[in-house]
Amino acid sequence: DGGITQSPKYLFRKEGQNVTLSCEQNLNHDAMYWYRQDPGQGLRLIYYSQIVNDFQKGDIAEGYSVSREKKESFPLTVTSAQKNPTAFYLCASSISGASNQPQHFGDGTRLSIL
Amino acid sequence: AQSVTQLGSHVSVSEGALVLLRCNYSSSVPPYLFWYVQYPNQGLQLLLKYTTGATLVKGINGFEAEFKKSETSFHLTKPSAHMSDAAEYFCAVSVGGSNYKLTFGKGTLLTVNP
Repeated sequence: DGGITQSPKYLFRKEGQNVTLSCEQNLNHDAMYWYRQDPGQGLRLIYYSQIVNDFQKGDIAEGYSVSREKKESFPLTVTSAQKNPTAFYLCASSISGASNQPQHFGDGTRLSIL
Repeated sequence: AQSVTQLGSHVSVSEGALVLLRCNYSSSVPPYLFWYVQYPNQGLQLLLKYTTGATLVKGINGFEAEFKKSETSFHLTKPSAHMSDAAEYFCAVSVGGSNYKLTFGKGTLLTVNP
C-alpha cells in the first residue's frame, strides 16, 4: 500500500544534540511538508518542499533544517538551537504544491527531551 | 493571510446524537477547505474537502460539511454519532495563487458517550 512512513515513532534528545526524523513516501508526490503539533495549538508548518532540491521555510523554521535530495524522502533535523523541541512531528505530502490538493499524513514522531 | 477558528475545543455528544463541529474561516480570496480527523498518536486522515462546485460535501464515515460563503463557515456534521467517531477534528484552509500554505484550526476533541 502507498503511504508515508515516519521513523522512529518515539525519539529522545539529549541537551546539545541534533536529531533527525525520517519521512519517506511512496505515493509519487511532488510536495512534502513538516508540521509540529503541540497540545491545543493545532499544526504549525516548519518547512515545505514542492520539488526535489528545493524547500522553503514555514512559520516556525528556527532551530530546524531539512533536505530534499530524493523525491520520496524529506528528513527533518531538530538542531540544538531548538530550545523547546518536545512535540509531535508530522510529515505530509501532496500530489503537487497546489492549494486545492489535500495533504496525506504519516503517523508522526514524538520527540522528548531526556 | 487566511485563518481558521474552530469554536469549541471540546464537544461531547451521546451515541446516536447529532454531531456538529464548527469551523469559520477568514480569507480575502475564495478558499479551499478541508476537514481532517486524528486518532490518538496517529497522523491526520482526510475526511472531506471543498474546492469548487457543490457546496454540500460528503466525506468518509458518514460526515458531511457545507460551505457557506455568506457566513464564512464550513461546519462538519454527522446525523448519528458512533463510539468510533471519538477523535480530534481539524478544519484547515488554503487559498490559490502562490500561497500554498494549509492553515489549520486548533482542533476540536469529540467525545462520544454511551
